[in-house]
Amino acid sequence: DIVLTQSPGTLSLSPGERATLSCRASQSVSGSYLAWYQQKPGQAPRLLIYAASGRATGTPDRFSGSGSGTDFTLTISRLEPEDFAVYYCQQYGSSPQTFGQGTKVEIK
Amino acid sequence: EVQLLESGGGLVQPGGSLRLSCAASGFTFSKYAMSWVRQAPGKGLEWVSTISGNGDSTYYADSVKGRFTISRDNSKNTLYLQTISLRAEDTAVYYCAKSSGSSWRNYFDNWGQGTLVTVSS
Repeated sequence: DIVLTQSPGTLSLSPGERATLSCRASQSVSGSYLAWYQQKPGQAPRLLIYAASGRATGTPDRFSGSGSGTDFTLTISRLEPEDFAVYYCQQYGSSPQTFGQGTKVEIK
Repeated sequence: EVQLLESGGGLVQPGGSLRLSCAASGFTFSKYAMSWVRQAPGKGLEWVSTISGNGDSTYYADSVKGRFTISRDNSKNTLYLQTISLRAEDTAVYYCAKSSGSSWRNYFDNWGQGTLVTVSS
């Protein structure tokens, strides 16, 4: 199984700052089949990014995804108050599909 | 608008069983693979099972293989997860998730609000 390791575990930032979240895979992710999800407390996850860099419908353009192979990044260019949440990466190129353990972005 | 509404969760004793349902609307149900993803209290997301759009192919996480069965009724736009031999470690919110395509190799573009399964004596 492909293990996804997200770092850091927690990111403490202020609104307006830039956030850089990392997702590293234990082996190459086939076809850059990597997605990012946002989850707020008490809510279901919401798709942000698919295929490493494609923005899902409704995802603000301050969110961008990049990377290939084993290293992927989610960048939030300027944090808005509603962006403080937990973010998960997921690979769906190999079976079983797997999720990272999550990065919490909290208000500093 | 895509809507996914789970039901069937609750408190069950170890060794017991439950059937979860997910009623779907707002899209052509039979064209898309559907999945169950769970989240234990305070923990991350864990993929549980996926079924292809036509129901011919099913996939399971090793942790549930042989105990959980995924199925779908395309005439009723409903997804199911039959669970047996439940363990304490199966305690979680179970989310129904729509795949972006008809096979397993797709991301989840819509999620339900989840149904809580608690396994405890």
